[in-house]
Amino acid sequence: AQSVTQLGSHVSVSEGALVLLRCNYSSSVPPYLFWYVQYPNQGLQLLLKYTSAATLVKGINGFEAEFKKSETSFHLTKPSAHMSDAAEYFCAVSVSSGGGSEKLVFGKGTKLTVNP
Amino acid sequence: GVTQSPTHLIKTRGQQVTLRCSSQSGHNTVSWYQQALGQGPQFIFQYYRKEENGRGNFPPRFSGLQFPNYSSELNVNALELDDSALYLCASSIDHRQETQYFGPGTRLLVL
Repeated sequence: AQSVTQLGSHVSVSEGALVLLRCNYSSSVPPYLFWYVQYPNQGLQLLLKYTSAATLVKGINGFEAEFKKSETSFHLTKPSAHMSDAAEYFCAVSVSSGGGSEKLVFGKGTKLTVNP
Repeated sequence: GVTQSPTHLIKTRGQQVTLRCSSQSGHNTVSWYQQALGQGPQFIFQYYRKEENGRGNFPPRFSGLQFPNYSSELNVNALELDDSALYLCASSIDHRQETQYFGPGTRLLVL
């Protein structure tokens, strides 16, 4: 079954430091991959998505992710963390759910803390 | 955008609940997800043009409807304590995940 694994349930960085959130996927075919951000007591906001076009995907708020088929990875990065980046981040893969439909399978999430 | 109501809800075990979702303009597919505390969202089911079009590993007491304007309801019967969660709906065009946007969610607490 297709799935994603997020390494590290908690990541802590200093303001201005590099942010790296890891996501590995398992899929027998090239997948669609997504990163979502969730602020406290809010829904999910799409950061970026990979849909088999360019392997380096740029998203909102300065985030980007690189699809590496050889490593089955889709890690999320941001060169310089800002206090407002503190949130929970979810990696997801699109899989078939039967009847021609698709669903998202999410990782367990990584909570990012940004220290002043 | 996608809107959901109510924002918060408290029910007791055994009761029934209805959650509502209005899809984004031009979207004909609605998917529902359950997010338990500290977990990633899990797929409940999807409605496409008013028909259920895919279901996750949830029992039949989780049911839904999609209306002619493509808004949707999630109904849960015989509530259990473990049903306490954030319920998210997402709308998309022709069940294409790359067009999908999520609503803010309804937080359900079952006592």
